[in-house]
Amino acid sequence: NAGVMQNPRHLVRRRGQEARLRCSPMKGHSHVYWYRQLPEEGLKFMVYLQKENIIDESGMPKERFSAEFPKEGPSILRIQQVVRGDSAAYFCASSPPAGVETQYFGPGTRLLVL
Amino acid sequence: GENVEQHPSTLSVQEGDSAVIKCTYSDSASNYFPWYKQELGKRPQLIIDIRSNVGEKKDQRIAVTLNKTAKHFSLHITETQPEDSAVYFCAASRGGTASKLTFGTGTRLQVTL
Repeated sequence: NAGVMQNPRHLVRRRGQEARLRCSPMKGHSHVYWYRQLPEEGLKFMVYLQKENIIDESGMPKERFSAEFPKEGPSILRIQQVVRGDSAAYFCASSPPAGVETQYFGPGTRLLVL
Repeated sequence: GENVEQHPSTLSVQEGDSAVIKCTYSDSASNYFPWYKQELGKRPQLIIDIRSNVGEKKDQRIAVTLNKTAKHFSLHITETQPEDSAVYFCAASRGGTASKLTFGTGTRLQVTL
């Protein structure tokens, strides 16, 4: 049973470009969470999605950031017009259907903005 | 919103000794408390979790205790080994559809020979 998959593992972008991060949840999991981890810091919640629905986006900046989890395919976190402060590790986690809180994390995407 | 504080930020113990990491939370509605271990450059890995209807849970050398009244929970690692060296994060959530995790700031555990 494959775990949570994320790609790319490393992403380098220049300021002003777009970054697109993908997350495939564990088989049977329908809930996806995105977290951001700055160097030497803890993880900060960004957004929680179910298939075709954003449930909670309270941690996601209002501008430049968006997330989706389509009916088919992976969840995508999109960052437009990246700035140096966006450099971080972005982790996605998945959990089974409602009632089970346990979240399993993917390997992360390390974004570096030059 | 929820605020989780974690202490200490760094902890050095000798192999075979015990290590204790403590967290406090602010939201009395939180009812799920997982602990994650993160090695350098790796994903956070769930090592143990506890729900608010339980005061203590143990899994081999790892145990977690929860005091709901004091809004306090702790991780205990006994007979530490060098491979326990990592950063440990506590977290809290309300569960259900409000199950986003609020993490502590992490404890860097170093187990020395």
